[in-house]
Amino acid sequence: AQSVTQPDIHITVSEGASLELRCNYSYGATPYLFWYVQSPGQGLQLLLKYFSGDTLVQGIKGFEAEFKRSQSSFNLRKPSVHWSDAAEYFCAIKLTFGQGTILTVHP
Amino acid sequence: ETGVTQTPRHLVMGMTNKKSLKCEQHLGHNAMYWYKQSAKKPLELMFVYSLEERVENNSVPSRFSPECPNSSHLFLHLHTLQPEDSALYLCASSKTDRDPGELFFGEGSRLTVL
Repeated sequence: AQSVTQPDIHITVSEGASLELRCNYSYGATPYLFWYVQSPGQGLQLLLKYFSGDTLVQGIKGFEAEFKRSQSSFNLRKPSVHWSDAAEYFCAIKLTFGQGTILTVHP
Repeated sequence: ETGVTQTPRHLVMGMTNKKSLKCEQHLGHNAMYWYKQSAKKPLELMFVYSLEERVENNSVPSRFSPECPNSSHLFLHLHTLQPEDSALYLCASSKTDRDPGELFFGEGSRLTVL
């Protein structure tokens, strides 16, 4: 069975700082990996996805993620965080989601 | 039109009530899903429908009863719920249920059971 772990429940960064959200997965084959974002009172929106090929994938809103098979990780990054990035972020394999990481951005 | 629409957005019901949640997708997708989102828990996949047939039911109590009359509509019928069923219920769709790729979510129905 597949599983997804997001080790950080809550992360706080200052506006303009860099960001990395961690995601580890367990899956027997090459996974289909996703990052979604959820703003308060909203559904989830896809940020980016990895199916195959280049292990560094670019997404919307300036986010990127890197697939590392040796570490079973798919961490999400952004070089400079904006206040509007404050939200909850979910890593997923197919239909299985992690617990989510809440991002707070300080001005 | 937005891709996936859920109604109502908010619902308060007593433990003896019967109510339904509705989901409609305008994306031409063949698969639809119900998820339960509770505080401090991962999203829980409840039901999967593919071409109007239920393909997965993840040990959900019978007080939740899904219905998929066509590939564009999905309902979740609620009956004799418990306070612990209070949560955000999210509907999603995808092109297929096999290697589903990206999920498109509605904004959710916030359910409170008194």
